[in-house]
Amino acid sequence: GQNIDQPTEMTATEGAIVQINCTYQTSGFNGLFWYQQHAGEAPTFLSYNVLDGLEEKGRFSSFLSRSKGYSYLLLKELQMKDSASYLCAVTDSNYQLIWGAGTKLIIKP
Amino acid sequence: DAGITQSPRHKVTETGTPVTLRCHQTENHRYMYWYRQDPGHGLRLIHYSYGVKDTDKGEVSDGYSVSRSKTEDFLLTLESATSSQTSVYFCAIKGQGEAETQYFGPGTRLLVL
Repeated sequence: GQNIDQPTEMTATEGAIVQINCTYQTSGFNGLFWYQQHAGEAPTFLSYNVLDGLEEKGRFSSFLSRSKGYSYLLLKELQMKDSASYLCAVTDSNYQLIWGAGTKLIIKP
Repeated sequence: DAGITQSPRHKVTETGTPVTLRCHQTENHRYMYWYRQDPGHGLRLIHYSYGVKDTDKGEVSDGYSVSRSKTEDFLLTLESATSSQTSVYFCAIKGQGEAETQYFGPGTRLLVL
């Protein structure tokens, strides 16, 4: 079966750095996405990785290791507005998105 | 903003009644998707469309049907709503470009009593 695992919840302090991990087992791989979802809102696109390595976009970075079936999202200089759920999703061999259940990130002052 | 709207945004209905949710897009995207989102689960694909009158089932299609008679509209119908279909429903489109990122509408909160 296809499976994506993320921690259910994480807590971090304003101004700090947090790393949210995602491991996946899917039938094929055609890319990995990270989305942000604030409570009561729709998911919004953050990043896309298809090759191994680190993609940096401002305060957010995303890393991929295809051989390990592993990705992480790194958030730097945390702000209160970063309190949200972070969703990991993998495009499988049929080009369908398989979604993790999401990680709820709580930022404390 | 991918120009996606959903209607209604909130709905309360009773078990056994039919319900239709509408997704409307303004940018002529070929692919459209319906997902449901429930606590403890990832987004789960119900149905998707790859063109006018071209649709296919997703992971959790039982109890749902879809129609796409125009490029801009993708309808999701619950033939006879059940309490297990209480959920938040998101419509999405697939954008252009290498990543073919999916972009989501604002969602519909459905409560089946």
